[in-house]
Amino acid sequence: AQSVTQPDIHITVSEGASLELRCNYSYGATPYLFWYVQSPGQGLQLLLKYFSGDTLVQGIKGFEAEFKRSQSSFNLRKPSVHWSDAAEYFCAVGERDAGGTSYGKLTFGQGTILTVHP
Amino acid sequence: KAGVTQTPRYLIKTRGQQVTLSCSPISGHRSVSWYQQTPGQGLQFLFEYFSETQRNKGNFPGRFSGRQFSNSRSEMNVSTLELGDSALYLCASSLRLADEQYFGPGTRLTVT
Repeated sequence: AQSVTQPDIHITVSEGASLELRCNYSYGATPYLFWYVQSPGQGLQLLLKYFSGDTLVQGIKGFEAEFKRSQSSFNLRKPSVHWSDAAEYFCAVGERDAGGTSYGKLTFGQGTILTVHP
Repeated sequence: KAGVTQTPRYLIKTRGQQVTLSCSPISGHRSVSWYQQTPGQGLQFLFEYFSETQRNKGNFPGRFSGRQFSNSRSEMNVSTLELGDSALYLCASSLRLADEQYFGPGTRLTVT
């Protein structure tokens, strides 16, 4: 069964500092991967996605992520964090069967809470 | 284009009752998925519908059911509510199966 691990439950950074949120997945086939962000009491907003092709993907709000198959990782990065980035971030992996047919079921990591200090 | 809408936003029910939650996908989207979010279990997949057919189901008891209508709107129903069903229920829509999913604001269900 597929699984997603976000090793850091809580990360604190200063405004203007760089950010990297870690995500490791366990999946037999080629995954398709997502990062979502959730503000308190809100739904999830899609930051970026990886389906295939270029392993460095750009997203909204200045975020990027790099797919590294050898490390089973899909880490999220931002060069300079803004106070408005404080939220909870979720990494998710989508399901494909052995024949390559994709399904809509997403498996999420436990989330990383980001606190930004002024 | 309007986003995913969910109604109601908040709901308080008593143990043993049943509840129906509604989700309207983004216009043109044909796939709807449901997720349960709790502090203890995180985000868990409930089920997915495409063209009025359930395509995938998570590991939840049969008390959890859903359906999708011809206009792609979806409802989920939970019967015989338990305290543990208290959660944020999120609906997501996508253009097709396995496309990126766009989430609604959720329905906060509290079971007392």
